[in-house]
Amino acid sequence: DAGVIQSPRHEVTEMGQEVTLRCKPISGHNSLFWYRQTMMRGLELLIYFNNNVPIDDSGMPEDRFSAKMPNASFSTLKIQPSEPRDSAVYFCASRSPGQGATDTQYFGPGTRLTVL
Amino acid sequence: AQSVTQLDSQVPVFEEAPVELRCNYSSSVSVYLFWYVQYPNQGLQLLLKYLSGSTLVESINGFEAEFNKSQTSFHLRKPSVHISDTAEYFCAVSEIAAGNKLTFGGGTRVLVKP
Repeated sequence: DAGVIQSPRHEVTEMGQEVTLRCKPISGHNSLFWYRQTMMRGLELLIYFNNNVPIDDSGMPEDRFSAKMPNASFSTLKIQPSEPRDSAVYFCASRSPGQGATDTQYFGPGTRLTVL
Repeated sequence: AQSVTQLDSQVPVFEEAPVELRCNYSSSVSVYLFWYVQYPNQGLQLLLKYLSGSTLVESINGFEAEFNKSQTSFHLRKPSVHISDTAEYFCAVSEIAAGNKLTFGGGTRVLVKP
């Protein structure tokens, strides 16, 4: 299995531009998580989906952030307009169906976003 | 709400020496506990987890962690580290009733020196 795939691996953009991050979960996994990692705030859960449905988006910073999961094999995290404070590494993780909290989350390699 | 505190942000250690990474959590309900490792420029990988049963859990690469309910701790230890153990280690907690969400500590960066 290829694991969780994220693209792009690096993104540099200018303030005000739209940014779209992509994630392909592991085949057969039915839960998907988006995290943001910064030096100041550590790892934060932004949103997660079960069976393509958003369950908890309380971690999404503000209306500039949106996430979608149109099918079981693809999710996007969009920032519009982007701001320098959005610079961070964004991770996607997926988990297999099973016992919920007991199952392991598998992380992708991350997308390093720099907003100038 | 649950929270996780990792008391040490950085731990330098010499090769073949022991290391302990401290983790304390706060929760009003029963929890599952995890340690994840992040090697440079990579995503997080599960190192070990405590769900129930024996309070001492081990990983395949020599790490172990002990769940202490009275002290609400889940410290990670390794008796003899290798250069390849240089990484950042994250403690995480999931409330059983809540089901799905992991809350991570701030991470401890381990630097193994030759």
